[in-house]
Amino acid sequence: QKEVEQNSGPLSVPEGAIASLNCTYSDRGSQSFFWYRQYSGKSPELIMSIYSNGDKEDGRFTAQLNKASQYVSLLIRDSQPSDSATYLCAGGLRSGGYQKVTFGTGTKLQVIP
Amino acid sequence: KAGVTQTPRYLIKTRGQQVTLSCSPISGHRSVSWYQQTPGQGLQFLFEYFSETQRNKGNFPGRFSGRQFSNSRSEMNVSTLELGDSALYLCASSFVAGQETQYFGPGTRLLVL
Repeated sequence: QKEVEQNSGPLSVPEGAIASLNCTYSDRGSQSFFWYRQYSGKSPELIMSIYSNGDKEDGRFTAQLNKASQYVSLLIRDSQPSDSATYLCAGGLRSGGYQKVTFGTGTKLQVIP
Repeated sequence: KAGVTQTPRYLIKTRGQQVTLSCSPISGHRSVSWYQQTPGQGLQFLFEYFSETQRNKGNFPGRFSGRQFSNSRSEMNVSTLELGDSALYLCASSFVAGQETQYFGPGTRLLVL
């Protein structure tokens, strides 16, 4: 079982809709979670980090964390074609005093104009 | 501020050769992490260096090694290259250890023939 799992997609949503990206993790000791966006041929860029249960909003993006269910999600409101990219979920686990971050394989999002 | 830089950007090697990749972090960042990205496995953590010391290591064979210099620049070396080492190698820098808020470089694309 992978430590961080994501549906590879592609997830297709029409422009203006809400895109919902999901991620589950296996290690209950994971304490921090990150969402990265990676455009084709580019490197990942951090868009959200979340550490506590509940929702965290930043502009059109909302990250949700449910530690009891070991579930992290990213909602993108008013999706735009420019949001089309692969979204990587990552979880951080402390071991030996340092955190190690494990990435999922990513979900490809396509926003249809 | 200049971003993370990686050299070279592209590299072609043959099996059995060795290769050294370089990464210069964002000015002031002391942590450098290395990742291997392939279509099948996604983004996999190789190791993290902070203040010239390896702080964390992923599950890669000993052919993969790295180091960090006093100016925080880091190098990664792969010896006895195998076909399966063909991948995009990304480095990411952060201000603190533990892969928080990482900024990725453009990557080095390695092709092993």
